[in-house]
Amino acid sequence: GNSVTQMEGPVTLSEEAFLTINCTYTATGYPSLFWYVQYPGEGLQLLLKATKADDKGSNKGFEATYRKETTSFHLEKGSVQVSDSAVYFCALKGNNQGGKLIFGQGTELSVKP
Amino acid sequence: EPEVTQTPSHQVTQMGQEVILRCVPISNHLYFYWYRQILGQKVEFLVSFYNNEISEKSEIFDDQFSVERPDGSNFTLKIRSTKLEDSAMYFCASSGGGAGAYEQYFGPGTRLTVT
Repeated sequence: GNSVTQMEGPVTLSEEAFLTINCTYTATGYPSLFWYVQYPGEGLQLLLKATKADDKGSNKGFEATYRKETTSFHLEKGSVQVSDSAVYFCALKGNNQGGKLIFGQGTELSVKP
Repeated sequence: EPEVTQTPSHQVTQMGQEVILRCVPISNHLYFYWYRQILGQKVEFLVSFYNNEISEKSEIFDDQFSVERPDGSNFTLKIRSTKLEDSAMYFCASSGGGAGAYEQYFGPGTRLTVT
């Protein structure tokens, strides 16, 4: 079945450091891929998405490129801020309308000043 | 900006009791979902709902669970007889039709504690 694997956390970085959180997936067909972020005490917020191979999703300085050849959707940011401290979830969804999201285990990011 | 809301934010109940978790999805959305997150674990799909019926459910969603859209705005999850292992954060989500069906918007969650 479909699945998502993320790099283990927690990840601790200094402010302005470069961030990569790895995400790989297993899926049949052509899923859509997402990154969600969960700030402390809050719900899940959609950060970015990509719906087909080679699409790049971007938002708030974060980027991820849908790589079908490596079945990956790694999250990157060039310069993290303390306010980026949160848990990041990679997720996939099949191409059926209304289909469920399948999440990775989440990666906690802590950014120190 | 429209958002999904959930009540209550925290529910404490005794084992064996029934609970109803409530959600108000975004008003023009067509697809509705419940997910749960046991503390420290990944977010898991429970059930999806479209056109007034369940469209998909996971193996977690057994006979103790039910969903309802009673009045065209609320979307509820009922657990008939709670168990300790039902303690989790429960998230409601909704998505629109067409191209919007790919983006699910989540509520802030209800933390359920079963004692």
